[in-house]
Amino acid sequence: GQSLEQPSEVTAVEGAIVQINCTYQTSGFYGLSWYQQHDGGAPTFLSYNALDGLEETGRFSSFLSRSDSYGYLLLQELQMKDSASYFCAVSSGYSTLTFGKGTMLLVSP
Amino acid sequence: DTAVSQTPKYLVTQMGNDKSIKCEQNLGHDTMYWYKQDSKKFLKIMFSYNNKELIINETVPNRFSPKSPDKAHLNLHINSLELGDSAVYFCASSQGAREGNTIYFGEGSWLTVV
Repeated sequence: GQSLEQPSEVTAVEGAIVQINCTYQTSGFYGLSWYQQHDGGAPTFLSYNALDGLEETGRFSSFLSRSDSYGYLLLQELQMKDSASYFCAVSSGYSTLTFGKGTMLLVSP
Repeated sequence: DTAVSQTPKYLVTQMGNDKSIKCEQNLGHDTMYWYKQDSKKFLKIMFSYNNKELIINETVPNRFSPKSPDKAHLNLHINSLELGDSAVYFCASSQGAREGNTIYFGEGSWLTVV
């Protein structure tokens, strides 16, 4: 089976940098995705890493180390609107995306 | 235009009733999903369809029956509703079922069973 671990909650202030870690155990790993979900909203795709290294998309970056079964989402220049839940998810086969339990990010002024 | 739309958004019903949630996507995707998100925000896949054919059926009670009349629609019918079925149900779609394909979620249907 698959299991993912990520912190349940992270707090930070506007303008800061925050890193949300994700460790996983899975068979047949293909890649690690990150999704953002605001309260009452739908999960929306942020990034996908299939290979080791850092992927940057604007203020958000995502990192993967396949050998360590570890990844993280880095959010820079935090804004109030970044307050949301962030989910890591592993692709482990055909049409299979398993989500972690989510990290609630609270950004304060 | 809404990419993945599902109705109803809110549904309050009594135990034992049968209800359906409809989902449509206009993205031209060939793979659709149903996910359940519980009160602790745990997001778990229930079903996956590719070109109207069931390809994933996780451990879901057989009271839940998905129906895909065409690849743009995936409806969820629930029989004999129980209190534990209260959750948010998300329909989603992706182009193909390969790993790494972005999954697009609908806005969710909040089901409350009383």
